[in-house]
Amino acid sequence: KQEVTQIPAALSVPEGENLVLNCSFTDSAIYNLQWFRQDPGKGLTSLLLIQSSQREQTSGRLNASLDKSSGRSTLYIAASQPGDSATYLCSREGLIWGAGTKLIIKP
Amino acid sequence: NAGVTQTPKFQVLKTGQSMTLQCAQDMNHNSMYWYRQDPGMGLRLIYYSASEGTTDKGEVPNGYNVSRLNKREFSLRLESAAPSQTSVYFCASSESGGLDRYTFGSGTRLTVV
Repeated sequence: KQEVTQIPAALSVPEGENLVLNCSFTDSAIYNLQWFRQDPGKGLTSLLLIQSSQREQTSGRLNASLDKSSGRSTLYIAASQPGDSATYLCSREGLIWGAGTKLIIKP
Repeated sequence: NAGVTQTPKFQVLKTGQSMTLQCAQDMNHNSMYWYRQDPGMGLRLIYYSASEGTTDKGEVPNGYNVSRLNKREFSLRLESAAPSQTSVYFCASSESGGLDRYTFGSGTRLTVV
């Protein structure tokens, strides 16, 4: 059974730190991996989409990488801000989802 | 504003009642999806529609039916609600299957008592 795992489940860091969120998946035959942000009580917002032919994507302070051989994707957040506090989820092809990492940025 | 609209936002049902969750998108996307999200878990795909006129089962289709009414609208029906269907339901759309970024609705919080 294909699975997506996100570790840690929760993370709390001081404002200004650079941080990395992890997403691991089984089966290296992946078409794409997408990172989302979810604020409490809200829907999901797509942050970055990495196609299987790509190794990384960048948007502002966010950078996502994809390593198919190791079955891992990372979301790097530079210079974190309190407004980055949210739950971050990853999904392969929109079919299989991780449970998310709840991120708290302390002012 | 362009996006995905879900109705209703909240609903309480009694066991055995039926209801339809509505979803509409105005981005001319081909593909639409229904997910459920339970506490502490990721999303689970219920049904999806790769294009107008087609629907397919996802990971957890039992107890649900869908209708792709036209390119804009994709509804989810619970024929006989059960407490296990208490969840938050999300509708999403994308330009072309799983190859493109998804746009999500704000969700429907459903409680079955």
